[in-house]
Amino acid sequence: GENVEQHPSTLSVQEGDSAVIKCTYSDSASNYFPWYKQELGKGPQLIIDIRSNVGEKKDQRIAVTLNKTAKHFSLHITETQPEDSAVYFCAPLGQGGKLIFGQGTELSVKP
Amino acid sequence: EAGVAQSPRYKIIEKRQSVAFWCNPISGHATLYWYQQILGQGPKLLIQFQNNGVVDDSQLPKDRFSAERLKGVDSTLKIQPAKLEDSAVYLCASSFERTGELFFGEGSRLTVL
Repeated sequence: GENVEQHPSTLSVQEGDSAVIKCTYSDSASNYFPWYKQELGKGPQLIIDIRSNVGEKKDQRIAVTLNKTAKHFSLHITETQPEDSAVYFCAPLGQGGKLIFGQGTELSVKP
Repeated sequence: EAGVAQSPRYKIIEKRQSVAFWCNPISGHATLYWYQQILGQGPKLLIQFQNNGVVDDSQLPKDRFSAERLKGVDSTLKIQPAKLEDSAVYLCASSFERTGELFFGEGSRLTVL
């Protein structure tokens, strides 16, 4: 079956620093690569996504980069703020058109 | 616009009892999903509906779990009989397109004692 791995599983940064989370996947046919943010007691929410025809996408302090050859994509958050503290999931589109969620990265931003 | 509504938010039952969760998706969203999220893990797809037809239920434990989506709108997920390992948050999500953005509800947290 499809394999999705995220690293690191936990990440602690000081406010204002950058954070990077990496996601590797096994399905070479994947062509859609979203990142979801889940705050405590809530459902996941899409924060940024990228399709396979581009290598990078930016939205204010958040960016996603894609390396299809190496089968990994990364979430970059710059100038982190305490409200960025949450669990982040990558969820590449797998076979049958379903998202395969990683195990999550718990980001803690310390003021 | 209103988001995805789920109820109940919390449920505690004993093993071998039954439980049902309800979901009302965003208006106009044809695709509806039920995910199971065990503590410390990512969501796992249980079943996907397109309108009122099942698209994917390959990971639904059909001996105890069932789901329906009447009239292509609301959906219910039932577990009978429940096991200890069913303790999890059950997330409902909907999307306008099959491969588009998923909008999640806040989830129903099930504890099986």
